[in-house]
Amino acid sequence: KQEVTQIPAALSVPEGENLVLNCSFTDSAIYNLQWFRQDPGKGLTSLLLIQSSQREQTSGRLNASLDKSSGRSTLYIAASQPGDSATYLCAVRPNNDMRFGAGTRLTVKP
Amino acid sequence: EAQVTQNPRYLITVTGKKLTVTCSQNMNHEYMSWYRQDPGLGLRQIYYSMNVEVTDKGDVPEGYKVSRKEKRNFPLILESPSPNQTSLYFCASSQQGMVVGQPQHFGDGTRLSIL
Repeated sequence: KQEVTQIPAALSVPEGENLVLNCSFTDSAIYNLQWFRQDPGKGLTSLLLIQSSQREQTSGRLNASLDKSSGRSTLYIAASQPGDSATYLCAVRPNNDMRFGAGTRLTVKP
Repeated sequence: EAQVTQNPRYLITVTGKKLTVTCSQNMNHEYMSWYRQDPGLGLRQIYYSMNVEVTDKGDVPEGYKVSRKEKRNFPLILESPSPNQTSLYFCASSQQGMVVGQPQHFGDGTRLSIL
């Protein structure tokens, strides 16, 4: 059974820092991996989706990488801002279902 | 505006009283799904639907029912709710059943409390 783990569970950084969030999964047989952002009391917003055949995706200050063979993905956030404070979740698509990690709660301090 | 709409947003009810949480999307998406989110456990998939009249169990389907009679709607039914179904529920949709990797769009969530 596919397990998805995100470390750390919480992270606090000063504004302007570059940071990396980690996601690991136990079974490399996935169709894709997706990173989401969740603000308190809100649903999830898709940030980046990486197909199994891709190595990375970029959107603005965000860069996500995927290493399927080692079961790892990272989300890199450049020049962090207080508005980046949220919970970040990764999810993998093994089949027609979807499996999520528990998330990393990020706080960016002004 | 493209959106996934859930109703109600909040509900407090009692054990055993049947309830339905509605989900509607206006993007003509084939794939729809229900999740529950619990502290420390993340999101877990309850049921999903690849298209009209096609539904499948996710990770935690026990105690829930779904139906997909129309493409835009995917209601979640709790026939006899119990306190362990107290949770935050999300509906999501995406195009083409996700195999081609289309991102999911999420509703704002429904917070259910079963007393």
